[in-house]
Amino acid sequence: DGGITQSPKYLFRKEGQNVTLSCEQNLNHDAMYWYRQDPGQGLRLIYYSQIVNDFQKGDIAEGYSVSREKKESFPLTVTSAQKNPTAFYLCASSIADSSNQPQHFGDGTRLSIL
Amino acid sequence: KNQVEQSPQSLIILEGKNCTLQCNYTVSPFSNLRWYKQDTGRGPVSLTIMTFSENTKSNGRYTATLDADTKQSSLHITASQLSDSASYICVVSDRTVSSTDKLIFGTGTRLQVFP
Repeated sequence: DGGITQSPKYLFRKEGQNVTLSCEQNLNHDAMYWYRQDPGQGLRLIYYSQIVNDFQKGDIAEGYSVSREKKESFPLTVTSAQKNPTAFYLCASSIADSSNQPQHFGDGTRLSIL
Repeated sequence: KNQVEQSPQSLIILEGKNCTLQCNYTVSPFSNLRWYKQDTGRGPVSLTIMTFSENTKSNGRYTATLDADTKQSSLHITASQLSDSASYICVVSDRTVSSTDKLIFGTGTRLQVFP
């Protein structure tokens, strides 16, 4: 089945530690996105990539980094510079020109601080 | 500031009943409006997408309406089922960013369906 796989489902981070969240898709989509979801707030865009080897900052990119070395993969690193990383992280993908096309989401990674 | 506001924040209904969720937005220029369903602990799943020229779109028991003049949308759920218990998120696309939709998400309506 085609879809988006995020791993791990739960992740714990110690103070001062970087952690990487995995996102893989087999939908052959060019565009991929990372969102953060906090209670009582709408999803907020962290980074997005429209094509391999290119990515753009979203609204809340500080403390995060990404790479897009392969079309299928868009990992997100939460660095120690992100002071409030506890949240539900969602990865999504869409065709390159996504107007009027849905973004397809993975089932998320819940990150907590130890 | 572009915003998407949803009401009610939460809703409880009995199985088999109908309900309507509301979405008001101030996003301009407007490209399209989307409704997503998000089960607890899962990612959102697309229900409908409507452009400004469409005023209604259905997906099974879900019917979305759009009034681009008043900037309002609603999601009507018919003959609710226990599996409809989820958060329903209204998302509006701002096309000021060329070729890539900038999506502005509402905070969602939490629907609980009881037997």
